[in-house]
Amino acid sequence: GDSVTQMEGPVTLSEEAFLTINCTYTATGYPSLFWYVQYPGEGLQLLLKATKADDKGSNKGFEATYRKETTSFHLEKGSVQVSDSAVYFCALSDNYGQNFVFGPGTRLSVLP
Amino acid sequence: DAMVIQNPRYQVTQFGKPVTLSCSQTLNHNVMYWYQQKSSQAPKLLFHYYDKDFNNEADTPDNFQSRRPNTSFCFLDIRSPGLGDAAMYLCATSREGLTYEQYFGPGTRLTVT
Repeated sequence: GDSVTQMEGPVTLSEEAFLTINCTYTATGYPSLFWYVQYPGEGLQLLLKATKADDKGSNKGFEATYRKETTSFHLEKGSVQVSDSAVYFCALSDNYGQNFVFGPGTRLSVLP
Repeated sequence: DAMVIQNPRYQVTQFGKPVTLSCSQTLNHNVMYWYQQKSSQAPKLLFHYYDKDFNNEADTPDNFQSRRPNTSFCFLDIRSPGLGDAAMYLCATSREGLTYEQYFGPGTRLTVT
């Protein structure tokens, strides 16, 4: 079945450091890919998405590119802030709404 | 603003005492989901409604039930909560279409005493 793998956390960075959180997937067909962010005690928020190969999703300084050849959707940000501290989930959806799969999540802590 | 609302945000119940969690949405999405999330693990899908069609995940315990009386509302009923059911319960919605991205409510934190 479809699956999503993320790099193990926690990831601890200093403010203004460069962030990469790796995400790879296994899926049949051509899924849509997402990054969600969850702040402490809150629900998940959609951070960005990409629906086809080579699409780049971006939001709030975060970016991720849908790479079909490497089945990857790595999350990047050039300069993280303390307020980016959260858990980040990579996810995929088939094109029929019947299969939505989350990765295990990566906790990010940004220190001032 | 269109949104997904969950009530209550915090719920305390006693072992074995039935509890109902509610979710409403103003997005007019036709798909609604209930997830259980423990300790910042990935959300675990319990069931979802595609319009009125109910889809139960194979490993969802019988103790968990759901109702969707109309497009806007969905309820999660836990018939006899156990200590292991203490968790964050997340409601999400999506709209039939190309991407099915899900929009989440803030969650209800359930404590079982």
